[in-house]
Amino acid sequence: EVQLVQSGAEVKKPGESLKISCKASGYRFSHYWIAWVRQMPGKGLEWMGAIYPGDSGTRYSPSFQGQVTISVDKSISTAYLQWNSLKASDTALYYCARPTTIIVLEDAFNIWGQGTVVTVSS
Amino acid sequence: QSVLTQPPSVSGAPGQRVTISCTGGSSNIGAGYDVHWYQQFPGTAPKLLISGNSNRPSGVPDRFSGSKSGTSASLAITGLQAEDEAAYYCQSYDSSLSDSVVFGGGTKLTVL
Repeated sequence: EVQLVQSGAEVKKPGESLKISCKASGYRFSHYWIAWVRQMPGKGLEWMGAIYPGDSGTRYSPSFQGQVTISVDKSISTAYLQWNSLKASDTALYYCARPTTIIVLEDAFNIWGQGTVVTVSS
Repeated sequence: QSVLTQPPSVSGAPGQRVTISCTGGSSNIGAGYDVHWYQQFPGTAPKLLISGNSNRPSGVPDRFSGSKSGTSASLAITGLQAEDEAAYYCQSYDSSLSDSVVFGGGTKLTVL
């Protein structure tokens, strides 16, 4: 079964760092982009960026460029989303997602992780 | 402010037909990029409803259909059912924003 399993909920203080994960299984990890999508409380979906595990190439939304880092460890089929200094405004639900088609970034996301809740509060 | 514009809410009675619009521009939908649609219930991950403008993945009822014309796309739901009450999002690709995937702001469907 093709699936993405994300790490558990996190509660952090402003200024702390954080790295959440998305472990893939059931398909050739290197061949598909992995995207990260933010959903703030009561709000819509926002594409943050994506990584192509095959060559670790990344793309970022202008809104998130420089604010987060997306990385991957091919040896364990896992993608990561990282913050160096969290803000209260980073409080949200974060999803990882995989497109339907190999190589193609702009394709529909047919596989989604279950989501990771990140709460940043002093 | 989303690159793709959706109405915040739509509503309809059971059995009726509703449509949700997704309006973009010349750098995304108008540039020929496909539009995809998702359904999301509270507390759950989005589910792919329509891919490539009008294609239904296996398991999606044929009450759901998608279309695209010019710089806009639409999701139509016929024979509305109570279980269709959810949020719906469109997605496309924009070549003017560092080559970014973009989502619409989302539309909350209420079944009256």
